[in-house]
Amino acid sequence: EAQVTQNPRYLITVTGKKLTVTCSQNMNHEYMSWYRQDPGLGLRQIYYSMNVEVTDKGDVPEGYKVSRKEKRNFPLILESPSPNQTSLYFCASSFNQNQPQHFGDGTRLSIL
Amino acid sequence: AQSVTQLGSHVSVSEGALVLLRCNYSSSVPPYLFWYVQYPNQGLQLLLKYTSAATLVKGINGFEAEFKKSETSFHLTKPSAHMSDAAEYFCAVSDVPQRGSARQLTFGSGTQLTVLP
Repeated sequence: EAQVTQNPRYLITVTGKKLTVTCSQNMNHEYMSWYRQDPGLGLRQIYYSMNVEVTDKGDVPEGYKVSRKEKRNFPLILESPSPNQTSLYFCASSFNQNQPQHFGDGTRLSIL
Repeated sequence: AQSVTQLGSHVSVSEGALVLLRCNYSSSVPPYLFWYVQYPNQGLQLLLKYTSAATLVKGINGFEAEFKKSETSFHLTKPSAHMSDAAEYFCAVSDVPQRGSARQLTFGSGTQLTVLP
């Protein structure tokens, strides 16, 4: 089954404790992206990747890092999480930047 | 920079009534346009997309949208609402990139659709 898998689905943690949210897709997609969803703001892009070893900032990259060492994986790293990063995060992928994106089921992060 | 405006953060309709969810965009060139639906505790699913072909686009679950360049609009409609249509709907625009930059998808703030029995 074609899918985008995010882990964990839920996480409660404390300020400053590094965390990684994994994202994996099994569709051989080149384009991958991370979004955060906040009430009344829709989805805002954090980072995206056009292909392996090619990443770039989206609209709200501050406080986040990503890497793309393999085509299927695109982890989101919060080196020093802060409460304003409490949000619902979505990973998405597509064949290329012109195609509709397939979304994971989301990761709800709470930073205390 | 492109932007997307969804008028009405909450829309309520009766079962069997017309659904109309509004979306206006700003873009300097004809963009790609999308409608996504999000059910509770799930990711977004593509409903339909416009990529410069026919201006009336048909999607899944009986939804359709019409691209109107003169009005910079891409409103989503469904003739008869069903209880299962209750969800949050997002309009998104993807602009043609400038040299060296990637196409970026910008989402509206979403419209929560409630279907009343």
